[in-house]
Amino acid sequence: SQQGEEDPQALSIQEGENATMNCSYKTSINNLQWYRQNSGRGLVHLILIRSNEREKHSGRLRVTLDTSKKSSSLLITASRAADTASYFCATPPPGNAGNMLTFGGGTRLMVKP
Amino acid sequence: EPEVTQTPSHQVTQMGQEVILRCVPISNHLYFYWYRQILGQKVEFLVSFYNNEISEKSEIFDDQFSVERPDGSNFTLKIRSTKLEDSAMYFCAKSGTSGTGELFFGEGSRLTVL
Repeated sequence: SQQGEEDPQALSIQEGENATMNCSYKTSINNLQWYRQNSGRGLVHLILIRSNEREKHSGRLRVTLDTSKKSSSLLITASRAADTASYFCATPPPGNAGNMLTFGGGTRLMVKP
Repeated sequence: EPEVTQTPSHQVTQMGQEVILRCVPISNHLYFYWYRQILGQKVEFLVSFYNNEISEKSEIFDDQFSVERPDGSNFTLKIRSTKLEDSAMYFCAKSGTSGTGELFFGEGSRLTVL
């Protein structure tokens, strides 16, 4: 089993709709992070949620964390064509807030204009 | 927060050749990381580098790989005797100054081994 698995693997929606991506993980975490990657580009940090937080907002992004279920969700509201990208969750090692992150396989989001 | 700059953006090399990938931090940073992403696969941690020493490394980071900061500015990843399976995107990253754990990645260097 893998740490940090996203669901679904691919998602196609119309512009204006909301997009929800889920991430499950196996071990205890200090925080969970979401990153975006446009095709062929580097990863861009979107948002970090700590283990003692349940929900966090940043612009059109809303992240939730359920440590009892070891899962997180990323919601993008009012999606735009520019949101088309792959989205990854990432977690540090157990008991560590450091940067040796384990990434999930990602959700490929396509937003159709 | 500004990202790091990586060169080259794309390198094609023959199997068995040595490759050096470079990362230039914009700010005077101490903590750097190299990650790898084979096409269609997950982003994988390779190594972390703190204050001119390897801090942590993954199982992937074997004797074929080395990192250094030769001039106090550039941060390099050297791959000796490249193999076909080394073909991937290699990302350099630096940690955020807030110390909360987020990473700021460069645009990556695409390595193609023929």
